[in-house]
Amino acid sequence: GAVVSQHPSWVICKSGTSVKIECRSLDFQATTMFWYRQFPKQSLMLMATSNEGSKATYEQGVEKDKFLINHASLTLSTLTVTSAHPEDSSFYICSATGRRNSPLHFGNGTRLTVT
Amino acid sequence: KQEVTQIPAALSVPEGENLVLNCSFTDSAIYNLQWFRQDPGKGLTSLLLIQSSQREQTSGRLNASLDKSSGRSTLYIAASQPGDSATYLCAVEHGSSNTGKLIFGQGTTLQVKP
Repeated sequence: GAVVSQHPSWVICKSGTSVKIECRSLDFQATTMFWYRQFPKQSLMLMATSNEGSKATYEQGVEKDKFLINHASLTLSTLTVTSAHPEDSSFYICSATGRRNSPLHFGNGTRLTVT
Repeated sequence: KQEVTQIPAALSVPEGENLVLNCSFTDSAIYNLQWFRQDPGKGLTSLLLIQSSQREQTSGRLNASLDKSSGRSTLYIAASQPGDSATYLCAVEHGSSNTGKLIFGQGTTLQVKP
C-alpha cells in the first residue's frame, strides 16, 4: 500500500532556531499534501494545504511566515518552523493524496519539543 | 463552521465487551466521514471510510454507521481486545467534493483491560 514517510520522528531544538520537517510519498505522486498540528490531548488541526508547484494555502490563524511550507516536487513537502518557541512544541502530521478522489495517507508524525 | 465532537472522551472496558464510540458533526454537508486509530505518539491508521451516500461500513470486528441528516456516526467494536486500546478519531471531509481537508473530533481514548 501507499506509504508516506515523515522525518524526523522527533526533534528537540532550542528556542529561536528553525526546524525542518519532511513529508515524502514513497510510492505515489502526491499532488496535494496537508499539514496538521496536534497539541497534547487535543485533536488534529489543519494548518495548511500544499499543492505541488504552487504556494501553500494556510488556515485562519496560522502564520505563514512562521510555518514555511514548500512542495517543490510530487513526492516531497517540507514544513519549516522558523524561530521556534516553546509554544510551538507539538505533534506535526502530514497527509498526502494523489489524483482527485484518491485516498489520503498519513505520515507517522513528528514530535517537536522547543526548549 | 463545521465542528466535530466525540463522546466519551475516555472509555475503559474489560476485554470481550462490545462498545460504541460516538461522533457528531454540526453541518450535514459532508463528503465523507472517516474513523482513525492513533496509538500514543504515532500517526493515524484509517479504519473505515463512509461516503456521504452510504449508511455503514464494516471491517472485521468494526462497524461504522453514518446518519448524515442527524449529524451522527458511531463506531461499533465487537469483542474488544487489549490490542484495541488506542485513541479513536472521527473526521469529516466537509463539502460536496473531494478536497482532502479533514476536520477532526477530539478523539475517544479507549482502554481495554485484560
